[in-house]
Amino acid sequence: DTEVTQTPKHLVMGMTNKKSLKCEQHMGHRAMYWYKQKAKKPPELMFVYSYEKLSINESVPSRFSPECPNSSLLNLHLHALQPEDSALYLCASSGGLAGVGEQYFGPGTRLTVT
Amino acid sequence: KQEVTQIPAALSVPEGENLVLNCSFTDSAIYNLQWFRQDPGKGLTSLLLIQSSQREQTSGRLNASLDKSSGRSTLYIAASQPGDSATYLCAVLYNQGGKLIFGQGTELSVKP
Repeated sequence: DTEVTQTPKHLVMGMTNKKSLKCEQHMGHRAMYWYKQKAKKPPELMFVYSYEKLSINESVPSRFSPECPNSSLLNLHLHALQPEDSALYLCASSGGLAGVGEQYFGPGTRLTVT
Repeated sequence: KQEVTQIPAALSVPEGENLVLNCSFTDSAIYNLQWFRQDPGKGLTSLLLIQSSQREQTSGRLNASLDKSSGRSTLYIAASQPGDSATYLCAVLYNQGGKLIFGQGTELSVKP
């Protein structure tokens, strides 16, 4: 089963709200990723976790806070977002060391910040 | 600077045609290269992963080749179908533990 699940599918939030995105995989992968994708653009890497430790933070603003509670779960906590943060947020996972194996993506969460 | 380029940005073909999508990269010292497909508003679907030591990979009607010396990869789609319509993304990994560098994608439309 090469499935990565993400919830919720859609999220609308105000600039003062706090919300969380959730990602789950049961493939035994030890590397997990968050990407942000704007319309007609390729995904942009935000964070990488390798063996539940944050290994890459692509200078993402602190209003985005990742968390990896265990090897199957990845969360992205959102607080005080701006309208320009509206995008498709994608989670991915891969086997072995971060970045080495084939990356499998989830369906994404469409975030709208009002 | 490590860059990945995909040309053309958009391609429209009639059903049944064989077609080639191109991906070029500026630094030949890659670790691996991955081709993805993305339907509008959806996540990415991995199509093929080619390790730096490989020349090609095949899956069904898809064949991806890798020529590191010229900094190029091609994705060949045989007997195209309307269901192949999507954006195809090429992504290069330069370093173990590093990040994928994505091309801008080729938007493919296969007309019935």
